[in-house]
Amino acid sequence: QQPVQSPQAVILREGEDAVINCSSSKALYSVHWYRQKHGEAPVFLMILLKGGEQKGHEKISASFNEKKQQSSLYLTASQLSYSGTYFCGTAGSSNTGKLIFGQGTTLQVKP
Amino acid sequence: EAGVVQSPRYKIIEKKQPVAFWCNPISGHNTLYWYRQNLGQGPELLIRYENEEAVDDSQLPKDRFSAERLKGVDSTLKIQPAELGDSAVYLCASSGLAGGTYEQYFGPGTRLTVT
Repeated sequence: QQPVQSPQAVILREGEDAVINCSSSKALYSVHWYRQKHGEAPVFLMILLKGGEQKGHEKISASFNEKKQQSSLYLTASQLSYSGTYFCGTAGSSNTGKLIFGQGTTLQVKP
Repeated sequence: EAGVVQSPRYKIIEKKQPVAFWCNPISGHNTLYWYRQNLGQGPELLIRYENEEAVDDSQLPKDRFSAERLKGVDSTLKIQPAELGDSAVYLCASSGLAGGTYEQYFGPGTRLTVT
C-alpha cells in the first residue's frame, strides 16, 4: 500500500517552519525521505530505521513512530532552497531495499 | 564520487516504436532499481536487481518491458512496442547495503514522450 503524505502542498515565507507527514497502513522497517526539484532527480535526505533514533542535520530533521507507522519531516527556519517536492519512501517489515513512495508534498518557500 | 549516470536524458518516439534506456550505477553499489515516475506522482518501482539477479520484477509489465543487468554493473531497460501511456520519467537508482540500510541514490532520469 502506498503511504499517504500530508499536506499535499504548503506555501511558506522564508524563516517559517513546516511539518510533512507520512502514514502507512502496514508495519514499517524504515522510512526514507527525498526532495525533488522540478526536472531533477530525487535527492536523498535521510533514513529512519525501526528502533532507531530521530535523525536530522542542520534545520531538517525527522521522526519515526513505529507504533503508528508514521514519520514526520520537520523543516525549521525554511530557506528558498527548501522549495521542491518531498517524498517519503517506506520499506516493509523486512529489510529488502524495496521502497513504496508516497504521492509527494509540494513545498514552496517565498521570500 | 560519480553519481548514477543515465542516458539518454530525453527521448521522443512514436507509439509502437521500441526504446531503450541505459543506466550506470554508483561504483560498488550492488543493488540497482528502475522506477517510473508519472507527472505529479512518486516513483514507482519496476524492477530491482541484486548484482545480476532480478529479485523483484513484480511491477514490470512483462509483455512489453524487459530489463537486463549484464555483469552486475550497467543496466538497460527496454520497451517494445511503446504505448502512449508509457510517457513518463524513467529513473534509475542504486544502493549499497551500508549499515544495514539501503540508501538509494537516483540518476537524472530519462524523460520519455510517446506520440
